[in-house]
Amino acid sequence: DAKTTQPNSMESNEEEPVHLPCNHSTISGTDYIHWYRQLPSQGPEYVIHGLTSNVNNRMASLAIAEDRKSSTLILHRATLRDAAVYYCILRDYSGGGADGLTFGKGTHLIIQP
Amino acid sequence: DSGVTQTPKHLITATGQRVTLRCSPRSGDLSVYWYQQSLDQGLQFLIQYYNGEERAKGNILERFSAQQFPDLHSELNLSSLELGDSALYFCASSPGGQHYEQYFGPGTRLTVT
Repeated sequence: DAKTTQPNSMESNEEEPVHLPCNHSTISGTDYIHWYRQLPSQGPEYVIHGLTSNVNNRMASLAIAEDRKSSTLILHRATLRDAAVYYCILRDYSGGGADGLTFGKGTHLIIQP
Repeated sequence: DSGVTQTPKHLITATGQRVTLRCSPRSGDLSVYWYQQSLDQGLQFLIQYYNGEERAKGNILERFSAQQFPDLHSELNLSSLELGDSALYFCASSPGGQHYEQYFGPGTRLTVT
């Protein structure tokens, strides 16, 4: 699986936007970029995914670089409940369906009140 | 609430013993995944089942096995337990295939003493 690189931790203030970066320089044409997060004492939770175009949903936005070698997860207005570990994961859609997620260390997001 | 349930929530057992963890997927989901989360290894994919058949194996030890039953619930069996098997075990489900996000349960915390 292609590898992703994320900062170990980031800190932001409540009610401010947060930009979480992810580098994936070896991404292939069939890799989708997925983001999951894990809140304290909970299982991981799907956030958003995309291939080439920027994507928006109720939780976040995903901005994908034109060369697809990096992406940024954007939380438009962080709340204390967004404090979590955020994982950027590449998923190859060319396979036959076997698709366990490969988690890295993720980014530990700290939100200050 | 993801709709995925796992039992038990906590399990304490001794080295050398065998335990069974149970997972009920979201209604209609055909794929079940098992993951292990430990402090030193992070979140690791163990095994995937799709509609009763094993679909993919990750870093699953030979002492561990799983199955998915006709009603689609799944069990993860851990035998000859060692101290290092102490971890959080998560189950996730999806409709099937890499095109879908995975929904994680709350996990089972296993402590081996």
